[in-house]
Amino acid sequence: QVHLQESGPGLVKPSETLSLTCTVSGGFINNNDYYWGWIRQPPGRRLEWIGNIFYGGTSTYYNPSLKGRVTMSADTSKNQFSLKLTSVTAADTAVYYCTRRSTGSSSDYWGQGALVTVSS
Amino acid sequence: DIQMTQSPSSLSASVGDRVTITCRASQDIRNDLGWYQQKPGKAPKRLIYAASSLQSGVPSRFSGSGSGTEFTLTINSLQPEDFADYYCLQHNTYPHTFGQGTKVET
Repeated sequence: QVHLQESGPGLVKPSETLSLTCTVSGGFINNNDYYWGWIRQPPGRRLEWIGNIFYGGTSTYYNPSLKGRVTMSADTSKNQFSLKLTSVTAADTAVYYCTRRSTGSSSDYWGQGALVTVSS
Repeated sequence: DIQMTQSPSSLSASVGDRVTITCRASQDIRNDLGWYQQKPGKAPKRLIYAASSLQSGVPSRFSGSGSGTEFTLTINSLQPEDFADYYCLQHNTYPHTFGQGTKVET
């Protein structure tokens, strides 16, 4: 059974960088059958797809709406992948989920979510 | 971006009712659509993948249909544990996009 767990600071100051890590157990992130990604949900709003990473970090795709502020990376030795979002504002306050999806499918496994609040 | 228009945004139903939720895509997404259920404070749970395939472990009262631009999630004989938010997600084209959600309430 695959398990994903987000970790990182729950409070980030405006203009700083949000950093989250997803630790995966029960599967390997360098498996080329799966994409590993991030999805967020601002309070009271719809889910927003942030991006995904593939095959241990060899390929990434980010949502253009985030205007180049996103970087995803992978550490295959720790079986973790990470999200960095720079120059955050209050609009980036959200619950951030890490997910797994099979090639050509939608996300099937999700982490429990990590609330990140942007505030001074 | 592909826009996913989900309706209704909320609906009132009773136990035993049949509930239908619709998602319309702004362009053809074949059957690259999933349906999710989300309860307060929890991560979304996939119910349906590939528009009409039932996720393992999900009760058979849930069903999905459609292809191209029109998709439907149906809940037959609504149960107390089904009161939740529901979302569609297209994964045909980057960036993947969600519908705005439907709240099923009593």
